[in-house]
This record gives sequence, structure tokens and C-alpha cells, in this order.
Amino acid sequence: SQKIEQNSEALNIQEGKTATLTCNYTNYSPAYLQWYRQDPGRGPVFLLLIRENEKEKRKERLKVTFDTTLKQSLFHITASQPADSATYLCARGEPGGYNKLIFGAGTRLAVHP
Amino acid sequence: DVKVTQSSRYLVKRTGEKVFLECVQDMDHENMFWYRQDPGLGLRLIYFSYDVKMKEKGDIPEGYSVSREKKERFSLILESASTNQTSMYLCASSRRNWETQYFGPGTRLLVL
Repeated sequence: SQKIEQNSEALNIQEGKTATLTCNYTNYSPAYLQWYRQDPGRGPVFLLLIRENEKEKRKERLKVTFDTTLKQSLFHITASQPADSATYLCARGEPGGYNKLIFGAGTRLAVHP
Repeated sequence: DVKVTQSSRYLVKRTGEKVFLECVQDMDHENMFWYRQDPGLGLRLIYFSYDVKMKEKGDIPEGYSVSREKKERFSLILESASTNQTSMYLCASSRRNWETQYFGPGTRLLVL
């Protein structure tokens, strides 16, 4: 079965540094990977999508990469701020199939002033 | 902005009770999903629906059923609640051929 693995340990970084979160997948490459942000007690919010044929995608301070050789996506937040503290979820998707997603368990990021 | 609302934020039920969780979206989305989220396990898909009256089992459908009588509304039913169904339940919706899902705020269910 297809799996998404994210580092279950929380990531603690200092404000202003770059946070890097890892998402590893098993078996064949998904058509796309998505990253969501989830704050405590709330539903996930979509951030970025990267397709299999894309190496990198950017949105403001966010950057996502997709490495099909390593079967990995990296999610970067540059110039991190305490407001970036949240849990970040990675999800793999397939075309068709009603766009079902398989989510990782998420990595909690804490940005300290 | 897409809005997905869920009927309750917190719910406490007794073992054996029938539980209804409702989800409403206001963007005419074709697809709707029900997930449960548990620590360390992430989001797991219970059921989804791609059209009115249509439903498909997800990865963990046992103990649950769903109903979609109107396009905007998707209900999750726990026929006889059990303590192992204590969890956070999240509803989501998306357009038919659009990958992004929009989530509701979640319902934290406690079964005693």
C-alpha cells in the first residue's frame, strides 16, 4: 500500500532560520504531493502542490521540492516566524480516483523568538 | 472563500448511541470526504462521495456509514458508538477534477 512518512519528532528552530520538513513516500511516485498546515483544534489548510514532473515550487517564503529518485519531498520555510508554528502535513494524490489523498501523520514545527 | 462547516466542535456520547456528524460546504463541490485523525496516525479516510447519493468506502469504513442526499451536505453516522471511535473527525470537499481539499474545523468526539 502507498504510504507517506513524516518525521514524528517536533522540529524546533529559532526565528529567522529556515525550517526544513521532510516527506518520504513508498512505492511508485505519486502524480502530485500536497502540503497542508494545521493549527491545534482546526482543520488542515492547503499550502502548496507540486507535480511529479516539477522539481521545485515556491510561494512567498515557502518552497517545496520533489525528488523522485530519493522518493522525497522537502518543505522549506525561509525567515521563519513564531506564527509559522503549526503541524505540517504532506499528502500524496493520484489522478482520477476522485482525487483521494493519503496523508502523513504530520510534523510539528515550533519557531522560537 | 470556500467554507466547510461541521455541525459540532465537541461532542460527548455514550457507548452504543447512534451519532450523526454533519458537514456542509457552500462552493458546489462534487467531492466530499470524511476523515478521522488520531495522534501519530494522521488523517485516515473513512468514506467519500463524488456525487449526490454516491459513496465509496475509504480505508477504515468499519463501524461507520454516510449519507449524501444533497450536494452540499455529507453526513457521517456512527451506528453504535464505541470507545475506539473517540477521535477528531474532519470533513473536506473538493471540485471533481481539482486536487486541493478544503477542510472543516473538525469535530472532537468523545465516546464514554
